[in-house]
Amino acid sequence: GESVGLHLPTLSVQEGDNSIINCAYSNSASDYFIWYKQESGKGPQFIIDIRSNMDKRQGQRVTVLLNKTVKHLSLQIAATQPGDSAVYFCAEIGRYNQGGKLIFGQGTELSVKP
Amino acid sequence: DAGITQSPRHKVTETGTPVTLRCHQTENHRYMYWYRQDPGHGLRLIHYSYGVKDTDKGEVSDGYSVSRSKTEDFLLTLESATSSQTSVYFCAISESLGQGRAFFGQGTRLTVV
Repeated sequence: GESVGLHLPTLSVQEGDNSIINCAYSNSASDYFIWYKQESGKGPQFIIDIRSNMDKRQGQRVTVLLNKTVKHLSLQIAATQPGDSAVYFCAEIGRYNQGGKLIFGQGTELSVKP
Repeated sequence: DAGITQSPRHKVTETGTPVTLRCHQTENHRYMYWYRQDPGHGLRLIHYSYGVKDTDKGEVSDGYSVSRSKTEDFLLTLESATSSQTSVYFCAISESLGQGRAFFGQGTRLTVV
């Protein structure tokens, strides 16, 4: 069945270091992947997305890598800042899902030490 | 920020009572979603809608129903609230399946006592 999961529930990094958050998915028909950031008391916010026909996409300080062979997704944050502290979720939509069902993983809490 | 409003933002209700949460959007997006968020479970999809009067179940739909009579409103109803439905509920909207990035509301904290 569909499931999206994360390897680590928590991640602590030093300010200025790079962060890598990982995500595994089980649905080989997944077509579209999204990373969200959720700060305390707020709804998730879109960070970056990637389609299954790509293996890398870059944004401002963030890069998403997709490895379809092992069904693995990662989010890299360069020069991590205190404002990056939040919970990060990966989410996916399956190619054959006509309803646009968006399924989330468990989330990784990123803590940035000054 | 996308024009999406959830109401109420907080609610305390008694077990067995009906509860309706409202999600209102001003973006004219086709897709709307209801999620619940609980510690250790992340965001779990309850129901979603892919058009007016077109809805489908998500992962945790038992005990919930939805209605979408117009594009801008998506209602989530707990017919008879239970303590296990104490949670934070998020509504999300998305323009199309091909552009799946969803925008989320601020959430509704529901406590069933």
